[in-house]
Amino acid sequence: DTAVSQTPKYLVTQMGNDKSIKCEQNLGHDTMYWYKQDSKKFLKIMFSYNNKELIINETVPNRFSPKSPDKAHLNLHINSLELGDSAVYFCASDDRRSNSPLHFGNGTRLTVT
Amino acid sequence: DQQVKQNSPSLSVQEGRISILNCDYTNSMFDYFLWYKKYPAEGPTFLISISSIKDKNEDGRFTVFLNKSAKHLSLHIVPSQPGDSAVYFCAASDRGVSYGGSQGNLIFGKGTKLSVKP
Repeated sequence: DTAVSQTPKYLVTQMGNDKSIKCEQNLGHDTMYWYKQDSKKFLKIMFSYNNKELIINETVPNRFSPKSPDKAHLNLHINSLELGDSAVYFCASDDRRSNSPLHFGNGTRLTVT
Repeated sequence: DQQVKQNSPSLSVQEGRISILNCDYTNSMFDYFLWYKKYPAEGPTFLISISSIKDKNEDGRFTVFLNKSAKHLSLHIVPSQPGDSAVYFCAASDRGVSYGGSQGNLIFGKGTKLSVKP
């Protein structure tokens, strides 16, 4: 199946821990993103990578660090997790060359206790 | 400061009737608008888009209307089906201005939950 896939789907952890969320796309897209949907249901962009290069970095605490080993993968590492980090995190991809619409993964629901 | 607003959190419609979902925006630099549909426990999926040079785009049962002077767009679903029940997100981008044309820096509204009753 061609898709954007992210793991894990659910992540429950305690404050202060470090965790990672992985994302892979097999659509051949050149740009990948992380979006956060908070408790108020807003979907907001966090980061964007084009061909492994960071092109968007919104106002996000530096505890959040994206890593793109290649253009098909964009992982999100979060250090020293806080209660306010609880949200659903969506990975997405598109292709600037073909102007394709944004394709989203199914989300990772992170709960920090 | 919400640049994209969906003022109706929910909408209930009878099967076969028209569903109209509304969206307002404040940033006059937005030049590309999209609607996404989201089922529970899934990611948003692209539904239909419209460029600011157009005022209407149609795809099957789905039509998006853009009124630039009012900074308003709407999604019409005719006829509505129970499978259309989902959360619909309006999104906007200034892809001609920022981030080298990428449409990925989308600004989303909070969504409208559509329920289509059989």
